[in-house]
Amino acid sequence: DAEITQSPRHKITETGRQVTLACHQTWNHNNMFWYRQDLGHGLRLIHYSYGVQDTNKGEVSDGYSVSRSNTEDLPLTLESAASSQTSVYFCASSESGDHEQFFGPGTRLTVL
Amino acid sequence: AQSVTQPDIHITVSEGASLELRCNYSYGATPYLFWYVQSPGQGLQLLLKYFSGDTLVQGIKGFEAEFKRSQSSFNLRKPSVHWSDAAEYFCAGYDYKLSFGAGTTVTVRA
Repeated sequence: DAEITQSPRHKITETGRQVTLACHQTWNHNNMFWYRQDLGHGLRLIHYSYGVQDTNKGEVSDGYSVSRSNTEDLPLTLESAASSQTSVYFCASSESGDHEQFFGPGTRLTVL
Repeated sequence: AQSVTQPDIHITVSEGASLELRCNYSYGATPYLFWYVQSPGQGLQLLLKYFSGDTLVQGIKGFEAEFKRSQSSFNLRKPSVHWSDAAEYFCAGYDYKLSFGAGTTVTVRA
């Protein structure tokens, strides 16, 4: 069955370190998204991609970057981790022209 | 800004009782609307979606939602709640991106 996976599931890091969260989908979807989930805010969009070599900023993109070198993967990089980036991160994907998104299981990131 | 709002942060309901979760949207045109459920430690699972047509939408796990343009609402309902329905529920709307409400936590008491 097609799926979307995230790794690691849990990560503890220190302030100032670079961190990369992996997202891999086997749906063959063109669209991929990264969200962060914080209490009281629901999910907020960090970055998104509509295809290989395409990336776009979402509403909370500062301090984050993504790159899309193939259809299956959209890694999220925190250039210099800050305590404010402690959160649960979700990756999602959707087909072109379809607004229904499929979500991964999430990565819980703690920045000390 | 176009968005969705979930007025209730937390709802407690008895097992077997009915459940209604509120969602209000503020979009100019008819938006695409979704309800997702998140069980503890899990990702989000789509319960149902509304794009157009019949305003009463059936979803998985016995849930339904009704789109009411006059009230700018898309409320989620279930006639009889099971203990396994304890979770967090998110309403979401799409114009050029998917925007989520803050979520409603549902507690089910025996």
